[in-house]
Amino acid sequence: GAVVSQHPSRVICKSGTSVKIECRSLDFQATTMFWYRQFPKQSLMLMATSNEGSKATYEQGVEKDKFLINHASLTLSTLTVTSAHPEDSSFYICSMDRGLTEAFFGQGTRLTVV
Amino acid sequence: GIQVEQSPPDLILQEGANSTLRCNFSDSVNNLQWFHQNPWGQLINLFYIPSGTKQNGRLSATTVATERYSLLYISSSQTTDSGVYFCAVGGRGSNYKLTFGKGTLLTVNP
Repeated sequence: GAVVSQHPSRVICKSGTSVKIECRSLDFQATTMFWYRQFPKQSLMLMATSNEGSKATYEQGVEKDKFLINHASLTLSTLTVTSAHPEDSSFYICSMDRGLTEAFFGQGTRLTVV
Repeated sequence: GIQVEQSPPDLILQEGANSTLRCNFSDSVNNLQWFHQNPWGQLINLFYIPSGTKQNGRLSATTVATERYSLLYISSSQTTDSGVYFCAVGGRGSNYKLTFGKGTLLTVNP
């Protein structure tokens, strides 16, 4: 399967600071990437769709000014959680459109805001 | 949007038992995938199965697209099968924009 690398796998930050999460494809080019969020004991919810070279499309209820997405190249998308608060603590995971049929996901990032 | 319902929400088995997990969806789909989420959170791809039947070792899956459901079978369960199993579907126009069910938490006891 496709290799999607996500870093960091775990991060703890202070309230009010910003955190950047990287999602990188190692063996293919992706024009579209997806960012999901998962709260404890809940399902994954799509946050936004990231298209290379254009603005991301956010799902309803997701603050675009808080969750900044940059898809600067066909192999890299970043999610920056700005002015993080404890309620932003969650598991964030990306997936990539490989142009085939099956979606593959990164390892995920567990964010804890203290 | 598409609704995805999984059942049962929780399942406890003894090692060696068989189980069936179900996924119902509310509309036609181009993509249906089963995942196992490991204790570290990573999603392990089990099956890509928008229709038909597939088998991989002790696991198999069947999707009846016309009736909008999919089944995941686990035979001779092992303790390492424990975890959350998710069904996710992609509607027409995007195979990769997935809608996830709430998952089935499987616990296999020795």
